[in-house]
Amino acid sequence: DSGVTQTPKHLITATGQRVTLRCSPRSGDLSVYWYQQSLDQGLQFLIQYYNGEERAKGNILERFSAQQFPDLHSELNLSSLELGDSALYFCASSVSQGGLLDEKLFFGSGTQLSVL
Amino acid sequence: DQQVKQNSPSLSVQEGRISILNCDYTNSMFDYFLWYKKYPAEGPTFLISISSIKDKNEDGRFTVFLNKSAKHLSLHIVPSQPGDSAVYFCAARGTSGSARQLTFGSGTQLTVLP
Repeated sequence: DSGVTQTPKHLITATGQRVTLRCSPRSGDLSVYWYQQSLDQGLQFLIQYYNGEERAKGNILERFSAQQFPDLHSELNLSSLELGDSALYFCASSVSQGGLLDEKLFFGSGTQLSVL
Repeated sequence: DQQVKQNSPSLSVQEGRISILNCDYTNSMFDYFLWYKKYPAEGPTFLISISSIKDKNEDGRFTVFLNKSAKHLSLHIVPSQPGDSAVYFCAARGTSGSARQLTFGSGTQLTVLP
């Protein structure tokens, strides 16, 4: 158990809809990262928050947004969903704001999103 | 543009033999490399890492080799055990720009046959 909690584990929805994925980081971790894993793809970095503020942005679509709340949990909002958004979405956490070469990320078990 | 590539989607090895998983990268700004292991229905977990100032790092049955001139790293598992069956992701990180975030390869499914 990594200590990172993601809910829900599975989500099935229709095109055009909006969903929210939730992540609670490990106790004491201030950074939360969101990654997307599509079929046969590696984990693609979407966005990072550190202590409530956006720290880094990757290949995140404009239809997607995220935030980190004062209790450090994070939510990833996906709107106007398309078939191609079907993927496994991972949340990870780390203790610092990132940038340390040897920093380890601890991953949740992911949310499997299926857009029909 | 995949900066970290794992060209073998799958690998099968007999129990007790050596497993060799390979990874290539293109971004010369990467300074640190990690391997993560992922079991079904679980998130990736850290396995072993290596800094670019080294060419080898060993931890028990796991050894990672780095060939910086070839931009290639490999993970050796000796001896392989059925419990090692999982997806292995190679990841890389640098200190500046887009390289600051962990960049992952697409993974290699290792199956260790009893």
